[in-house]
Amino acid sequence: QKEVEQDPGPLSVPEGAIVSLNCTYSNSAFQYFMWYRQYSRKGPELLMYTYSSGNKEDGRFTAQVDKSSKYISLFIRDSQPSDSATYLCAMGTGNQFYFGTGTSLTVIP
Amino acid sequence: GAVVSQHPSWVICKSGTSVKIECRSLDFQATTMFWYRQFPKQSLMLMATSNEGSKATYEQGVEKDKFLINHASLTLSTLTVTSAHPEDSSFYICSARTGGAQRNQPQHFGDGTRLSIL
Repeated sequence: QKEVEQDPGPLSVPEGAIVSLNCTYSNSAFQYFMWYRQYSRKGPELLMYTYSSGNKEDGRFTAQVDKSSKYISLFIRDSQPSDSATYLCAMGTGNQFYFGTGTSLTVIP
Repeated sequence: GAVVSQHPSWVICKSGTSVKIECRSLDFQATTMFWYRQFPKQSLMLMATSNEGSKATYEQGVEKDKFLINHASLTLSTLTVTSAHPEDSSFYICSARTGGAQRNQPQHFGDGTRLSIL
């Protein structure tokens, strides 16, 4: 079983839609959770970083962590064409982080 | 803040050539940097962890004599692909962790280097 599971998509939504991206994990020791956005031929850009269960909001982005279910989500409100990218979840302990395979998102104008 | 610069962004060279890629943390000191390889439409594959002033730790299956890593300062790590062959063609990305010795800090990535070996 992989440490982190992420649906690769692709996911296609109309502009203005609410997007939900998800990852599950198997290791209950994971304490730190991140979401990265990666545009084509660019390095991943850190969007959200959290280390507790619950929600964390930053502008149009909300990261949600449910440690009891080993499930994390990233919500994007009022999605824009510029949000079209691959979104990677990452998580781990203080010693090692694991990345999901990424979900490809396209926001259609 | 937390800017990581990677150079070059794209390199094309002949088979047998050695190629050096630089990774710099511009506005913070990074005791630990990471080198990844990414194939098209796939996730990041960790190659090695680079620690300032000590030898790099390589992941299983990564040839340390093929991929030489040097982390001589708190702001610079280099990856040298020695005697590169077409199968080494890939997208190489570095990252650096803020927070000094605090291992729980997130990684910040460079923009990657596209390596094409003819």
